[in-house]
Amino acid sequence: AQSVAQPEDQVKVAEGNPLTVKCTYSVSGNPYLFWYVQYPNRGLQFLLKYITGDNLVKGSYGFEAEFNKSQTSFHLKKPSALVSDSALYFCAVRLYNAGNMLTFGGGTRLMVKP
Amino acid sequence: GAGVSQSPRYKVAKRGQDVALRCDPISGHVSLFWYQQALGQGPEFLTYFQNEAQLDKSGLPSDRFFAERPEGSVSTLKIQRTQQEDSAVYLCASSLVSQTMNTEAFFGQGTRLTVV
Repeated sequence: AQSVAQPEDQVKVAEGNPLTVKCTYSVSGNPYLFWYVQYPNRGLQFLLKYITGDNLVKGSYGFEAEFNKSQTSFHLKKPSALVSDSALYFCAVRLYNAGNMLTFGGGTRLMVKP
Repeated sequence: GAGVSQSPRYKVAKRGQDVALRCDPISGHVSLFWYQQALGQGPEFLTYFQNEAQLDKSGLPSDRFFAERPEGSVSTLKIQRTQQEDSAVYLCASSLVSQTMNTEAFFGQGTRLTVV
């Protein structure tokens, strides 16, 4: 069965510093990987996705993610964090030919301090 | 509409009561998903529709849960005889195309169900 792990419940960084939110996956085939962000009382908002091609994917709000097949990871990164980036981040995987649903990780709360 | 709309935003139900949660997907979106998000956890898949056809309901936790999308647009998730463990946020998402492997889904704000 496919699964996604986000090993950190919470990440704290200072504004202006780079941030990384970790995600690892476990699938038996080629994964399609997604990052979503959830602000309080808001629905999930799509940030970026990896389908194929370049391992470095750029998305919304200056976020990017690096797909590493050997390490089965898809870490979310941003060179310079903003206080407004504080939110709950979810990594998700969809396995080719295994249904259309997304399997989500448990989420990581990002706190950016001024 | 501009986005996926869900109603009500909040629902308090007494244990044993039936509830119905509504989802209005983005106009023209073929695929529609329901997810359940328990407090402090990631969303978990419940069911999937392609137009009016329910193609996957493997995530529905019990036969008390029922979903429909009779005209391929609005969907309703019904929970019969609610129990406390049903308390969660129920998220609806839609995608434009039927082949959704490489397309992102757009989520609504969710309905927070509290069973007391």
